[in-house]
Amino acid sequence: DTGVSQDPRHKITKRGQNVTFRCDPISEHNRLYWYRQTLGQGPEFLTYFQNEAQLEKSRLLSDRFSAERPKGSFSTLEIQRTEQGDSAMYLCASSSKNYEQYFGPGTRLTVT
Amino acid sequence: GEDVEQSLFLSVREGDSSVINCTYTDSSSTYLYWYKQEPGAGLQLLTYIFSNMDMKQDQRLTVLLNKKDKHLSLRIADTQTGDSAIYFCAEIPSNDYKLSFGAGTTVTVRA
Repeated sequence: DTGVSQDPRHKITKRGQNVTFRCDPISEHNRLYWYRQTLGQGPEFLTYFQNEAQLEKSRLLSDRFSAERPKGSFSTLEIQRTEQGDSAMYLCASSSKNYEQYFGPGTRLTVT
Repeated sequence: GEDVEQSLFLSVREGDSSVINCTYTDSSSTYLYWYKQEPGAGLQLLTYIFSNMDMKQDQRLTVLLNKKDKHLSLRIADTQTGDSAIYFCAEIPSNDYKLSFGAGTTVTVRA
């Protein structure tokens, strides 16, 4: 049984570039979440999908961020015109019930 | 500000019990969680407790919930070096699905 996977695990990019991260949830999970974690803090909610529908976006998700889940399976998170403040660990989680969320290993983004 | 608060550090001797404490503010919280994060890794769901329970035990882990004081604790019996990690307390309020995390407690197990 494979867990949640994320790709890439690490990304270093120059300020102003666009980046895209991918999350593959556990196969039977219809709910998918993105969180962001900065150093020394707990994760903060970014957005939530139920199947292919994006049901909520946090105010942390500026208009430079967009997330999709086109077929209700994998999801992508894109950041346009990256800024140094975007440097963080981006975590994806999935669940079949809202109260059991399983996390992937995360994508660590460094913006130079 | 954060609705979930934890002490930042805990040092424990190998073989002793560890107790990690957490307070939360949302009295409507339905589920309360403990996650473990090792360096450079994602979060591992350790255990969770439904708000109508007082205690839950799972092998070396015991979760205690005091709803009156909004206090949650995680006890790890016979702490091992592999238990060294950051432990996050989290809650999901009623009718919600977003996890709200504390800042994490760094547990260091010394020989």
